[in-house]
Amino acid sequence: QSVLTQPPSASGTPGQRVTISCSGSSSNIGSNNVYWYQQFPGTAPKLLIYRSNQRPSGVPDRFSGAKSGTSGSLAISGLRSEDEADYYCAVWDNSLSGRVFGGGTKLTVL
Amino acid sequence: EVQLVESGGGLVQPGESLRLSCAASGFTFSDHYMDWVRQAPGKGLEWVGRTRSKANSYTTEYAASVKGRFTISRDDSKNSLILQMNSLKIEDTAVYYCQAIEVATKSQDFWGQGTLVTVSS
Repeated sequence: QSVLTQPPSASGTPGQRVTISCSGSSSNIGSNNVYWYQQFPGTAPKLLIYRSNQRPSGVPDRFSGAKSGTSGSLAISGLRSEDEADYYCAVWDNSLSGRVFGGGTKLTVL
Repeated sequence: EVQLVESGGGLVQPGESLRLSCAASGFTFSDHYMDWVRQAPGKGLEWVGRTRSKANSYTTEYAASVKGRFTISRDDSKNSLILQMNSLKIEDTAVYYCQAIEVATKSQDFWGQGTLVTVSS
């Protein structure tokens, strides 16, 4: 059972906006920045969002991140078929003195 | 071109040891924290541990599941990262990725392609 809670699945149709949540606690999200990763089957994860709401260069502005209290979220607008992937949140946990990942959310584009 | 190349994976029996390597090129290795992250077959990502940069005294942190059994080390002169895994358990079976995280802004990170470790009798 992950320290960070994500919905196991999410879905949307092309063009829609989808939001994936990541729920934590005061020792992790409440104190530190959230990072979001995208992973396709058989490949390494890719950084989508850093410091809760910043996009690395090259990541489309359709992807955005937010943090409020002990929860973070990833929003994908203008959904495309190529967005179908697994998405993970990650954050440093001060109590564990370690990094924790959410359980992952499988996004399906209908 | 940035590259992280893991090696050393394979099939071992429970209780045995294995040493994974990660060779880095194309970026300033010494300016990055280096993490190991693993993924069991069909499962999510699990953080294994971290070695920080020289500026942060090369301190290390480990996940509770591997503490006392795994050791992470780095050699900045060789742009190399090592994961020494002892007393391996069946539940350590996973693809192991090395990840480089840029220290100053966290805006950039790099991943290797992963190496599969299978622990089975």
